[in-house]
Amino acid sequence: DQQVKQNSPSLSVQEGRISILNCDYTNSMFDYFLWYKKYPAEGPTFLISISSIKDKNEDGRFTVFLNKSAKHLSLHIVPSQPGDSAVYFCAAKALSGTYKYIFGTGTRLKVLA
Amino acid sequence: DAMVIQNPRYQVTQFGKPVTLSCSQTLNHNVMYWYQQKSSQAPKLLFHYYDKDFNNEADTPDNFQSRRPNTSFCFLDIRSPGLGDAAMYLCATSRGLAGRDTQYFGPGTRLTVL
Repeated sequence: DQQVKQNSPSLSVQEGRISILNCDYTNSMFDYFLWYKKYPAEGPTFLISISSIKDKNEDGRFTVFLNKSAKHLSLHIVPSQPGDSAVYFCAAKALSGTYKYIFGTGTRLKVLA
Repeated sequence: DAMVIQNPRYQVTQFGKPVTLSCSQTLNHNVMYWYQQKSSQAPKLLFHYYDKDFNNEADTPDNFQSRRPNTSFCFLDIRSPGLGDAAMYLCATSRGLAGRDTQYFGPGTRLTVL
């Protein structure tokens, strides 16, 4: 049972435009979410997080939006750059009572120059 | 730079031949994790150590074992690799288990089983 789903395996976006990566979750206990970015031959690196007490968190070109009622989060990258081409994983956690992050399957973003 | 290092980056073994993957960290984190990631799948947690306390995930096969001789090092032992164990193995660390502790990943070891 996949509790965290990234339904788009890949996404192509033109340089300078907005990239929107989506993530859905099924467990209503999840209240903390992360996005990781992974380049080929490297491990995932932390990008941005959001707690369920917020509906938006911004860090430079990266913004994560959380819609708790829809159990949906999205990562917006504006403007997209060729160096953003990577696989993006979302991960979710229930802050109380668990140590585990549950990861999605990833979305491969390609930013076209 | 503080980091998580995995060796080797690529490992080829034969069916049934034991193999050990290595992870070291310079972050001085209390927790070390091992994940298995197969192609187009989410990373799957196998087990973790909090200091010397070992925690095995319920669905981790007995074929997978781990050792943490000190804070810096953690090993993944696969006693009798099968073809289905071919995957990327990711090591990660975090300061603690609770709350918002971020996990920091190594580059991974890609295991091929012939």
